[in-house]
Amino acid sequence: ETGVTQSPTHLIKTRGQQVTLRCSSQSGHNTVSWYQQALGQGPQFIFQYYREEENGRGNFPPRFSGLQFPNYSSELNVNALELDDSALYLCASSLETANYGYTFGSGTRLTVV
Amino acid sequence: AQSVTQPDIHITVSEGASLELRCNYSYGATPYLFWYVQSPGQGLQLLLKYFSGDTLVQGIKGFEAEFKRSQSSFNLRKPSVHWSDAAEYFCAVGVSEYGNKLVFGAGTILRVKS
Repeated sequence: ETGVTQSPTHLIKTRGQQVTLRCSSQSGHNTVSWYQQALGQGPQFIFQYYREEENGRGNFPPRFSGLQFPNYSSELNVNALELDDSALYLCASSLETANYGYTFGSGTRLTVV
Repeated sequence: AQSVTQPDIHITVSEGASLELRCNYSYGATPYLFWYVQSPGQGLQLLLKYFSGDTLVQGIKGFEAEFKRSQSSFNLRKPSVHWSDAAEYFCAVGVSEYGNKLVFGAGTILRVKS
């Protein structure tokens, strides 16, 4: 079985720009969650998608948005990037929302300059 | 609000010595508790989890954790540490609200000296 794949692994953006991060969920998993991990901190929940619908959201502003596609892959979009958005963004997939059996990807390291 | 506290930012142990990483949680309901490990540049790997039942939980790589409801703690232990255990360890509580999310502690960095 394949794991969770995230792309790109690293990228650098300028403040004010927009960015799209991508995640391919593990085979058979229909739920994707996104987490932001700032340097020296634990991951923080951004949102969760289940069968193409948002199914939960953390304390992040609306400029953080997402999509889930029919094949259960997902995108995280961040508009109007700020310096504080620099972080490791982790995607995790699971089978159904009531299951905490998350498989995490290796993350995308975003640097905003 | 739900929260997880890992009091130790860094811990250094000698190879072969025992290890205990502390975790305290705050959650009103029966907690689902987790320990994850993260190596540099990597994602999170699940070490073990507690949902219910036996309060001593066995995980991968020789790790175990004990749930103590009276102390709101879920400490991670290993009897003999290997150099390959050097990594960052995160304790998390599962929160069942609008969606199911994990609330993580800030992590403990484990250094192993030979």
